[in-house]
This record gives sequence, C-alpha cells and structure tokens, in this order.
Amino acid sequence: AQKVTQAQTEISVVEKEDVTLDCVYETRDTTYYLFWYKQPPSGELVFLIRRNSFDEQNEISGRYSWNFQKSTSSFNFTITASQVVDSAVYFCALRNTGNQFYFGTGTSLTVIP
Amino acid sequence: DTGVSQDPRHKITKRGQNVTFRCDPISEHNRLYWYRQTLGQGPEFLTYFQNEAQLEKSRLLSDRFSAERPKGSFSTLEIQRTEQGDSAMYLCASSLGIVPGANVLTFGAGSRLTVL
Repeated sequence: AQKVTQAQTEISVVEKEDVTLDCVYETRDTTYYLFWYKQPPSGELVFLIRRNSFDEQNEISGRYSWNFQKSTSSFNFTITASQVVDSAVYFCALRNTGNQFYFGTGTSLTVIP
Repeated sequence: DTGVSQDPRHKITKRGQNVTFRCDPISEHNRLYWYRQTLGQGPEFLTYFQNEAQLEKSRLLSDRFSAERPKGSFSTLEIQRTEQGDSAMYLCASSLGIVPGANVLTFGAGSRLTVL
C-alpha cells in the first residue's frame, strides 16, 4: 500500500524566516517517484519538483530545497527566506509505476509580513 | 498552450440533480485524470484515461459517477442523483505519458460542487 503523511497541518512563519515542510511516505515498491505541489488560494495545483527513488541527491532551486532520504522514507521541503507569496497549501505525493498519485493531506503555510 | 481548463468553476445544485463537469486538457497530452478534493484533504484519485480509453477507476467512483473522453481530447465527469457528500472540488489533470510513473500532472483550477 502507498501512503503519504504530512504531519504538519498548519505552519505560520514570519517573512524571511526559513521553514521546512515534512513528508514521510510508505511504499513497498523499489521504483517510485516523489512530488511536491503547491496549491495557492486560487486553487490550481502547481508542480514544484519530482524525484525518482534512485536519485537521492538533494536539490536546490532558488529559495527552495528538497532533502530526500530513503533511509527514513522522507522527502522534506525547505523554503529559505520565506515570502508572503509562499503562503499556500503544499502537498507531497507519491507515485509508483502505476497510474495513481497518492497525496498527503497537505501543509498550509502562512507567511506573515 | 492555455493549460488545463475546467468548466464550470463553481456549481451549486440541489440534492438529486445531475451535474456534468468538462475538462479540456493540454492538447498534446494523452493522459487525463480526475481527482476529488475535499476541505483539508489532498486530492483523491477517481479515474484515468489514456486517449479515449478509461483504464482505471477508483472504488470511490460509485455507480452514480461516469466519465467519458469520447475523442481522446476533452473529458466529462457526470454525477447523477447528487448527494450532499458529493460536495467537493473536482480536479482534472493531464500528462504526456511516456515513462510510466514519471510523468508530471498538470492540473486545472478545478470545479467546485456544492450540493444543497
């Protein structure tokens, strides 16, 4: 069975603070893909990143960075120097070689100016 | 490329009525998905098409739900005899399926259904 857990329901930070969103996943598959999506108040899910299970290299894109650790089945997302525009709900998702995405319940991030 | 379009964006209906949602995917995308999202939850898979073939349906999709993609382009999701529990955001997504599992979903803005 596939499962994604985002234990943090809501997080509030003050602008310019760093924040890490946690994601823990469960799967028995050896080949799988992990994703992060952002859902701003407008509602449209926006793709942020995809990692495959064979690539544990961490990735940085501007103020965003991702830490993938297979040993702890985690795929955490850090926003450095947060901005008000980062306020959104962030979803972590898992997909095996099948066709279904398994989404976590999301973390609602509020960045206070 | 205008992205994934969904219509209507909002629908309010009375219990027992039928509703239909339309999704226009990105034109070159061969795969189309329907998801349902309720408040405070992540999207839940409903069904998936590759071209015009409906290849997978979730157990969440009761007999009152039907989806079509007749020409492999746009898709419709119909809910018959709506119930209050059907109130949710219905999300459509599309992708270009080359490597199974790896393809990224592009989502539409969703169709919000409220059943009174």
